[in-house]
Amino acid sequence: EVQLVESGGGLVKPGGSLRLSCAASGFTFSDTWMSWVRQAPGKGLEWVARIKSKTNGGTTDYPAPLKGRFTISRDDSENTLYLQMNSLETDDTAVYYCTTDHFHWGQGTLVTVSS
Amino acid sequence: DIVMTQTPLSSPVTLGQPASISCRSSQSLIHSNGNTYLSWLQQRPGQPPRLLIHQMSNRVSGVSDRFSGSGAGTEFTLKISRVEAEDVGVYYCMQAIQFPYIFGQGTKLEIK
Repeated sequence: EVQLVESGGGLVKPGGSLRLSCAASGFTFSDTWMSWVRQAPGKGLEWVARIKSKTNGGTTDYPAPLKGRFTISRDDSENTLYLQMNSLETDDTAVYYCTTDHFHWGQGTLVTVSS
Repeated sequence: DIVMTQTPLSSPVTLGQPASISCRSSQSLIHSNGNTYLSWLQQRPGQPPRLLIHQMSNRVSGVSDRFSGSGAGTEFTLKISRVEAEDVGVYYCMQAIQFPYIFGQGTKLEIK
């Protein structure tokens, strides 16, 4: 059974940083493209970042507005996906979901950016 | 970026009756390989999204056959043949042909 378990969310002040983790199991993580998607309170879904498998180059992609502040990475030896978020803004407040390129989803971790 | 537009944004439906949600993309979602990269996801209250249909009409294993996807090019439809109470939630279309993948605004399905 595919399992994705996010962690690392919490309350952070504007301008601060946070690193999210996603522990994956039940599938061949190293072969799978992985992504982060977020959902602001009461709002829709927004793609945050994607990382391809190493066999596909391991390249990363971000929507233009988030490029430079967010960094997605993976540790295939630990079956873990990461999202490093810097210079956080109040608009970054959201539930952050880990997903296998939209086929399987974790339960999400809440990030609140507030002074 | 590709723009995804869903209608309606809210859909009150009687139990046992059909429901239909439309989605339009600003560009064709047909890949050179012939596949159409349009997905439908369901998000029940308090739950993460769940993929129902990918590549326009391929139902995910375990998803009820009451759900079906159809369309062509830039116009797509999700149909629920007979709405059940467990279908309440928000439905999103999503284009997966070009990054960033973009979701529609969501359609809230509720019981009348």
